[in-house]
Amino acid sequence: DAGVTQSPTHLIKTRGQHVTLRCSPISGHKSVSWYQQVLGQGPQFIFQYYEKEERGRGNFPDRFSARQFPNYSSELNVNALLLGDSALYLCASSLWTGVEQPQHFGDGTRLSIL
Amino acid sequence: SQQGEEDPQALSIQEGENATMNCSYKTSINNLQWYRQNSGRGLVHLILIRSNEREKHSGRLRVTLDTSKKSSSLLITASRAADTASYFCATHPSNTGNQFYFGTGTSLTVIP
Repeated sequence: DAGVTQSPTHLIKTRGQHVTLRCSPISGHKSVSWYQQVLGQGPQFIFQYYEKEERGRGNFPDRFSARQFPNYSSELNVNALLLGDSALYLCASSLWTGVEQPQHFGDGTRLSIL
Repeated sequence: SQQGEEDPQALSIQEGENATMNCSYKTSINNLQWYRQNSGRGLVHLILIRSNEREKHSGRLRVTLDTSKKSSSLLITASRAADTASYFCATHPSNTGNQFYFGTGTSLTVIP
């Protein structure tokens, strides 16, 4: 079975631009979460979606937005990119939002801002 | 911040030795999970321990949880070169819905 897939794997943007990152969860998983991982740090929670509704939001500015589609795939959008947005963006899926659900991570999108 | 902190930040051992890494956190939790991340890859779930459990085993992994000290430890026995990775604890605080908070990680190097 395919794991969590993310696209693109690498992306280079300049300040002020907009970016869209995509995630396909494991088949049957209905919950998708997004994390930002700055080099040398642990992942920071950005969003969680379940059944197309936002179920949680981390401490990120409104430049960050996301959505989940009927097939449970998800997009993360970031507007007005800043140098500090350079990071590995990870998507994780789980069957549902239960607190004991282990999260299955994709390999991430490496975003570099010039 | 509710993020946990791992200790040590980096650990280097010989193959066959045991590796112990610790995680401290700040608030009461529902559970604590440990994840592994190989360089340039996503995280892989290793083990979950509930707040009412004190110790849990899975293969060569042993996890302990002390809620009074707000700390957890991960022991990897008989380490292998393939265990080289970063290890993160993730806490699920009691009052934050479905959010997980990851620690800063321990970078483990196992020398063949």
